[in-house]
Amino acid sequence: EIVLTQSPGTLSLSPGERVTLSCRASQSVSSYYLAWYQQKPGQAPRLLIYGAFSRATGIPDRFSGSGSETDFTLTISRLEPEDFAVYYCQQYGSSPYTFGQGTTLEI
Amino acid sequence: QITLKESGPTLVKPTQTLTLTCTFSGFSLSTSGVGVAWIRQSPEKALEWLALIYWDDDKRYSPSLKSRLTITKDTSKNQVVLTMTNMDPVDTATYYCAHRNPLAVLSVWGQGTTVTVSS
Repeated sequence: EIVLTQSPGTLSLSPGERVTLSCRASQSVSSYYLAWYQQKPGQAPRLLIYGAFSRATGIPDRFSGSGSETDFTLTISRLEPEDFAVYYCQQYGSSPYTFGQGTTLEI
Repeated sequence: QITLKESGPTLVKPTQTLTLTCTFSGFSLSTSGVGVAWIRQSPEKALEWLALIYWDDDKRYSPSLKSRLTITKDTSKNQVVLTMTNMDPVDTATYYCAHRNPLAVLSVWGQGTTVTVSS
């Protein structure tokens, strides 16, 4: 089973700032099968990034993904008020398709 | 437009079996590459992947829960059913189903259904 470790656990930031979230895998994630999700209170997760780099439909270009093998990052270039949420990474290349523990962005 | 909705009991007793149904629209579970997954989220905890059923009826389970889980599909009804046996209070969580697209990613999620395990 691939264990995903996200860091940091919580970030306190302000609108307009740039932020980079980390997701580290215990073993190589095959074929860049790495996704990022955003979850707001009381809502289901929403797909942001898939294939490590590709933005999902309707996702603003301030969100970008990068990385390979065991180290992946999600970057938000300029934080908007609606971006304060919890972010999860998930690998879907090797069953079980595990999630990271999440990073909380707070104001 | 793809939508999914979870349904089932909100309260179950310890040792009982939980049966959850995911009813979906906007896609067919007979289309190559498509699947439906179940994920849960305990209060104040992270997401836990549970099971996935593919268009060809192949199935994958979380190893830690495999002995308790069964996932099935009814393509004609556009439904996927998850059963979990021997429920325990630690299984209290919000349970989500999600659409697995042909790129293998969970592209659309249902709103979730909250299940409490208590006597």
